[in-house]
Amino acid sequence: AQRVTQPEKLLSVFKGAPVELKCNYSYSGSPELFWYVQYSRQRLQLLLRHISRESIKGFTADLNKGETSFHLKKPFAQEEDSAMYYCALSPYGQNFVFGPGTRLSVLP
Amino acid sequence: DTGVSQNPRHKITKRGQNVTFRCDPISEHNRLYWYRQTLGQGPEFLTYFQNEAQLEKSRLLSDRFSAERPKGSFSTLEIQRTEQGDSAMYLCASSISGSKETQYFGPGTRLLVL
Repeated sequence: AQRVTQPEKLLSVFKGAPVELKCNYSYSGSPELFWYVQYSRQRLQLLLRHISRESIKGFTADLNKGETSFHLKKPFAQEEDSAMYYCALSPYGQNFVFGPGTRLSVLP
Repeated sequence: DTGVSQNPRHKITKRGQNVTFRCDPISEHNRLYWYRQTLGQGPEFLTYFQNEAQLEKSRLLSDRFSAERPKGSFSTLEIQRTEQGDSAMYLCASSISGSKETQYFGPGTRLLVL
């Protein structure tokens, strides 16, 4: 069965500190992986996807197939990064499976 | 606003009543998804359409739930004989199918069943 886990419900870091949001998945094939973000009072929106290998707002995520992980990282957190972050998995052409989310709080 | 829209934004109903939600996707998007989100959880997939065809339904979608997308544009999600456990945020998303599919989410409809 497809499953996404995010072990931390809440992660608090100070401004300027590195941040890593953990995501692990279970799927027998080769899924596509995503990070979605929801800022306060805004809609859920795509942050980045693994196949694009891009950095968005200073965030990067590397797919580790051996560890079945897709952790989200940023070297220097900013207060505006405070939001709810969801890791999601999609077997190609099929439905999306979301993790439970991690609330990131960046303290001044 | 050319984004995904959902109506109503809030719905309060009594147990046993039927409710219907509407989603208007981004106009050129051929795929439309429905999700349910409860407190402290991520969105849970319910069903999705490609054009007017309903291609997949989750086992979460009991026979009290039905979704339609009659002309491949807007979609409706109906819940019959609502139960208190149906209280949740119902999210709609749309996308263009393809290798770099990106889902664009609507603001959601919050349902409270009393």
